[in-house]
Amino acid sequence: DQQVKQNSPSLSVQEGRISILNCDYTNSMFDYFLWYKKYPAEGPTFLISISSIKDKNEDGRFTVFLNKSAKHLSLHIVPSQPGDSAVYFCAASGAGSYQLTFGKGTKLSVIP
Amino acid sequence: GAGVSQSPSNKVTEKGKDVELRCDPISGHTALYWYRQSLGQGLEFLIYFQGNSAPDKSGLPSDRFSAERTGGSVSTLTIQRTQQEDSAVYLCASSLGLETLYGYTFGSGTRLTVV
Repeated sequence: DQQVKQNSPSLSVQEGRISILNCDYTNSMFDYFLWYKKYPAEGPTFLISISSIKDKNEDGRFTVFLNKSAKHLSLHIVPSQPGDSAVYFCAASGAGSYQLTFGKGTKLSVIP
Repeated sequence: GAGVSQSPSNKVTEKGKDVELRCDPISGHTALYWYRQSLGQGLEFLIYFQGNSAPDKSGLPSDRFSAERTGGSVSTLTIQRTQQEDSAVYLCASSLGLETLYGYTFGSGTRLTVV
């Protein structure tokens, strides 16, 4: 049973436009949500996180939105750049837990 | 070192052989994690070490898998009698042991292929 779901395996966006990556979760005990970015042959790199007491967190071009009632979060990248092309993983954990539950990832391609 | 180092980066082994995967965490990081990513799947938790506490082995898929962490630093993941379904990228990560909200730092992984 997948507790964290990324239903879009891939997404293509033009350079300069907005990229929106979506993630749904089923476990209401999750309190922390994270996004990781992964380039080929490299490990995932932590990008941005949000706790369940917030509904938005922003860091430069990256913004994560959390809708707890819908158990949905999204990552917005504005403006998208070719260097953003990578696989993006959504992850979640309960408060006080060290274990992250990951989605299967969404491959983002930003077209110049 | 500056990051989490894993070796080897690639390993091809014959079914039934044992393999050892090594992880050097970031100096000073007390928490160490092993995950694996099978083809087309998300990252799957395997095991967690925190300081001198007993490790959480709840994610290990079978008793063929074991891991140890010596001196609170280097960790080795051992897979005995490898099977084809063990083929995956094995990722090690480390952190200061704070809440997961701050993320962990992953190594580049070991790609294991069992033939």
